[in-house]
Amino acid sequence: GESVGLHLPTLSVQEGDNSIINCAYSNSASDYFIWYKQESGKGPQFIIDIRSNMDKRQGQRVTVLLNKTVKHLSLQIAATQPGDSAVYFCAETSSGSARQLTFGSGTQLTVLP
Amino acid sequence: GAVVSQHPSRVICKSGTSVKIECRSLDFQATTMFWYRQFPKQSLMLMATSNEGSKATYEQGVEKDKFLINHASLTLSTLTVTSAHPEDSSFYICSGNHGVTEAFFGQGTRLTVV
Repeated sequence: GESVGLHLPTLSVQEGDNSIINCAYSNSASDYFIWYKQESGKGPQFIIDIRSNMDKRQGQRVTVLLNKTVKHLSLQIAATQPGDSAVYFCAETSSGSARQLTFGSGTQLTVLP
Repeated sequence: GAVVSQHPSRVICKSGTSVKIECRSLDFQATTMFWYRQFPKQSLMLMATSNEGSKATYEQGVEKDKFLINHASLTLSTLTVTSAHPEDSSFYICSGNHGVTEAFFGQGTRLTVV
């Protein structure tokens, strides 16, 4: 079946460095993508989203890049802070809205002091 | 952003008993809510889609008689784990849709069956 997966299960970065978290998806019909942050014992928290008609979208300290040719999504976090330590999930849907989401396997980001 | 409140955050129950988890949209109406299950160090797996006023739609492999879902109002959906067993121990998360694109998640419920 269709799936969304992540390349790296863990990522450690120095505080202040930039982080890049990658995600591959296989459903060519996917048209809406979301990045979520999940802290231990909590529900996912929306970070940023992007539609398939865009290549790049920027938020506060975060940027999402979408490469539809290779079905690849990335989340860039600038000047990573200790509070950014969490598990990051990409999610996709082909319904055009955040209704039935398929989640990737997650990347544990650890920010080193 | 919109708020989804999930209760309880943690519950421990004996094997064979039932547990009810509530999911409330506090400042918006959610015609559709979603229930997910998450095992340790794994991703969220969709269990069912809860539609207000109608029967829930369950994902393949999810037992509808074991995981009872009720969505009686636009702000409340409940998940009841019936005759719980240790293998049902997991982190259960609900989400509600606000508008067209954004889904807001509850805080999750850690269920431990002993």
